[in-house]
Amino acid sequence: GAVVSQHPSRVICKSGTSVKIECRSLDFQATTMFWYRQFPKQSLMLMATSNEGSKATYEQGVEKDKFLINHASLTLSTLTVTSAHPEDSSFYICSATGTSGRVALDPEQFFGPGTRLTVL
Amino acid sequence: GENVEQHPSTLSVQEGDSAVIKCTYSDSASNYFPWYKQELGKGPQLIIDIRSNVGEKKDQRIAVTLNKTAKHFSLHITETQPEDSAVYFCAAIPGHSNYQLIWGAGTKLIIKP
Repeated sequence: GAVVSQHPSRVICKSGTSVKIECRSLDFQATTMFWYRQFPKQSLMLMATSNEGSKATYEQGVEKDKFLINHASLTLSTLTVTSAHPEDSSFYICSATGTSGRVALDPEQFFGPGTRLTVL
Repeated sequence: GENVEQHPSTLSVQEGDSAVIKCTYSDSASNYFPWYKQELGKGPQLIIDIRSNVGEKKDQRIAVTLNKTAKHFSLHITETQPEDSAVYFCAAIPGHSNYQLIWGAGTKLIIKP
């Protein structure tokens, strides 16, 4: 099956610093990747959608200058939380869809294990 | 836009009994309906999905039914086991969407031993 990894799984940082989270598709070409955040006991909230080689499309209310998304290759997308503050503390999850060889995987999305960000 | 409602928010069943979680959607053009299981501190895992041209799909103890006319779909888990305890999310992809999932609020399933 298609596998998505995320790194790091947990990160604790001081307020004002920037944090980069990596999302990798291990065995397929991720033409589209999604970034979500999830607060405790809530559903997933889509932050942005990115297609390989294009600028990300951000959801309403998500600051593009604060949450920088790069999807420069078919296997890697990064989310950088710039000048993080305690209210940015959350569980960040990526997902991906695309192709495995000639087989289209969409619309199924494959999720990473998530990254727990704590900003002190 | 598309809206997905999920019920109940919490479901407690005796081990061995069946569990049913229901979702309704608003966009009649929605064409893909996945169900995800999320354990504490982990990412969601797809457990079953159904497309709009199918009414029912089964995979061992798990089944999903879709009623396009009524715009609702349900997850059925039979012979529940302790490891089924988790939060379950339904989702839908609207007809116009670039694979963007619209999520239900989630159901916390508790299996009582």
